[in-house]
Amino acid sequence: GAVVSQHPSRVICKSGTSVKIECRSLDFQATTMFWYRQFPKQSLMLMATSNEGSKATYEQGVEKDKFLINHASLTLSTLTVTSAHPEDSSFYICSSSPGTSDYNEQFFGPGTRLTVL
Amino acid sequence: GQNIDQPTEMTATEGAIVQINCTYQTSGFNGLFWYQQHAGEAPTFLSYNVLDGLEEKGRFSSFLSRSKGYSYLLLKELQMKDSASYLCAVMDSNYQLIWGAGTKLIIKP
Repeated sequence: GAVVSQHPSRVICKSGTSVKIECRSLDFQATTMFWYRQFPKQSLMLMATSNEGSKATYEQGVEKDKFLINHASLTLSTLTVTSAHPEDSSFYICSSSPGTSDYNEQFFGPGTRLTVL
Repeated sequence: GQNIDQPTEMTATEGAIVQINCTYQTSGFNGLFWYQQHAGEAPTFLSYNVLDGLEEKGRFSSFLSRSKGYSYLLLKELQMKDSASYLCAVMDSNYQLIWGAGTKLIIKP
């Protein structure tokens, strides 16, 4: 299957700093990538849809100025959490689909666990 | 609104069979997915149903009834490594995935 990588896998930062998370499709071109956030014991919550070469589409309630998304190439999307606060601590996961698989299923990156002190 | 319901937690015994149910109400339907998620890891794809009926894949099977808005994931010959959360997700008319909260499956020896 398709491979999606994420970096870093874990980050701890101080309140007020910005954190950048990278999501890469390793063996396919991803025109669209999805960014999710998952709090403990809760389901995946779609934050935004990242589109290569254009602006991201944010879900209702997600602040686009706080969660900056850049999808500059067909294999890389980045999510920057600006001025992070403790309530932003969560598990951030990206996903994409090569569009050539049998079921058009999403392939997920391994996730990034963000802890804001 | 759109809604996916599945039990929060289930317990089963190693070697046994367990069925995890999922009911949904969504704006349109373009398929239902089951994913497995181990603690602290990302979800991995298990199955996809878009037509009514049973799809079997090894120890795992998934069933869909579109008229009832219902699916289940059946796990046979349970192994300890099957302890994980199982997520049901429906693709709506906009091809957006709507996720259930997941069912935490605990396997006991």
